[in-house]
Amino acid sequence: NAGVTQTPKFQVLKTGQSMTLQCAQDMNHNSMYWYRQDPGMGLRLIYYSASEGTTDKGEVPNGYNVSRLNKREFSLRLESAAPSQTSVYFCASSEAYNYGYTFGSGTRLTVV
Amino acid sequence: DQQVKQNSPSLSVQEGRISILNCDYTNSMFDYFLWYKKYPAEGPTFLISISSIKDKNEDGRFTVFLNKSAKHLSLHIVPSQPGDSAVYFCAASPIGGSQGNLIFGKGTKLSVKP
Repeated sequence: NAGVTQTPKFQVLKTGQSMTLQCAQDMNHNSMYWYRQDPGMGLRLIYYSASEGTTDKGEVPNGYNVSRLNKREFSLRLESAAPSQTSVYFCASSEAYNYGYTFGSGTRLTVV
Repeated sequence: DQQVKQNSPSLSVQEGRISILNCDYTNSMFDYFLWYKKYPAEGPTFLISISSIKDKNEDGRFTVFLNKSAKHLSLHIVPSQPGDSAVYFCAASPIGGSQGNLIFGKGTKLSVKP
């Protein structure tokens, strides 16, 4: 019962470097999401994918791109990392909004 | 402009007593409300939800109350246990939202003291 798996768990980047955060779910959920959590800011939606083949911007999409590779996988890419992107990133999936999301354990990213 | 507000950043309660976590919202078009619990270094986990057509939902020690006229919901934990110490997030789902675009509050850190 893996649920939602995120890799890596920790990452340090230099300003301007790029990287991709990976997310995979094994619950056959249709919808997947990327959130970031910053101190005192709660969880803010970056991008989401309502179903395979679709992606949409959330509240804070600038500086990010996403790919819904298949029903299981939803990746988040930082093309040119900035210190403002230092955060904890959570991937989540859901079957229907009123059933709640299942979250991964997070990726702690530091941009120096 | 925050649509979901948790005005208390922290709450401390004695073991065995009731914990009451509050959440206010501004958008009357929300149709589902959810509570999530988060331990350090882990992802949030779904705790309990309530539909806007109800005013109470109970699951074991956890009860969520919804007051639509006041745009207020609360989570009651009775009795509180040290293992309940965590950050609690309130979340709301807009009617017709695209496949569950949940809007989260900033969270309340609950400390339950033995």
